Amino acid sequence: VQVEESGGGVVQPGGSLRLSCAASGFTFSRYGMHWVRQAPGKGLEWVAFILNDGSNKWDADSVKGRFTVSRDNSKNTLYLEMNSLRVEDTAVYYCAKDGEGHKEFDYWGQGTLVTVSS
Amino acid sequence: QSALTQPASVSGSPGQSITISCTGASSDVGGYKYVSWYQQHPGKAPKFLIYEVGQRPSGVSDRFSGSKSGNTASLTISGLQAEDDGVYYCCSYAGGNTWVFGGGTKVTVL
Repeated sequence: VQVEESGGGVVQPGGSLRLSCAASGFTFSRYGMHWVRQAPGKGLEWVAFILNDGSNKWDADSVKGRFTVSRDNSKNTLYLEMNSLRVEDTAVYYCAKDGEGHKEFDYWGQGTLVTVSS
Repeated sequence: QSALTQPASVSGSPGQSITISCTGASSDVGGYKYVSWYQQHPGKAPKFLIYEVGQRPSGVSDRFSGSKSGNTASLTISGLQAEDDGVYYCCSYAGGNTWVFGGGTKVTVL
């Protein structure tokens, strides 16, 4: 099982960025997927979750209305569209596979750094 | 979605046992059996250790065990080893397909 994030970078406050997460080694379309972030020197924060078929999604209050999670099962890829970025969104963003119990994160990528700065 | 409360640091000598607490509320830790634990080494991704309070995924050492009482979950590491040095995070399902993490506990092997 592997998940690998990409798309991070430096963006100005108010800007947009799209992260991708390429999955392999498992049947991507069978599992929900999460985004979790970690601000520099801080703890983990759950960001968003999408069902295996993309039919429903949920996100944290801190990103509601600004971030959108989506997936393309034909490409085994998860996305996070981030708009109206704020300085406090600066973090390493991890994608994580939903576990067999569907309430935990069993495989994580290495993360991609998003820096929001003027 | 308030973060779960963990002690900032816990330490122990090699061979000893340590326990990390994780306190939440009836809306998360106390309301569900879905507490999980993760280990993170500097600059690395978190590693999955425990799910459903006390279940270990395959490949995780049986030195790691989890439990829960009321709104507080705990992770115990027995037979402490140098490689256990790192930061440990608890996480609880909080209903409505949302999750909340603890602030993390730095474990130091003396």
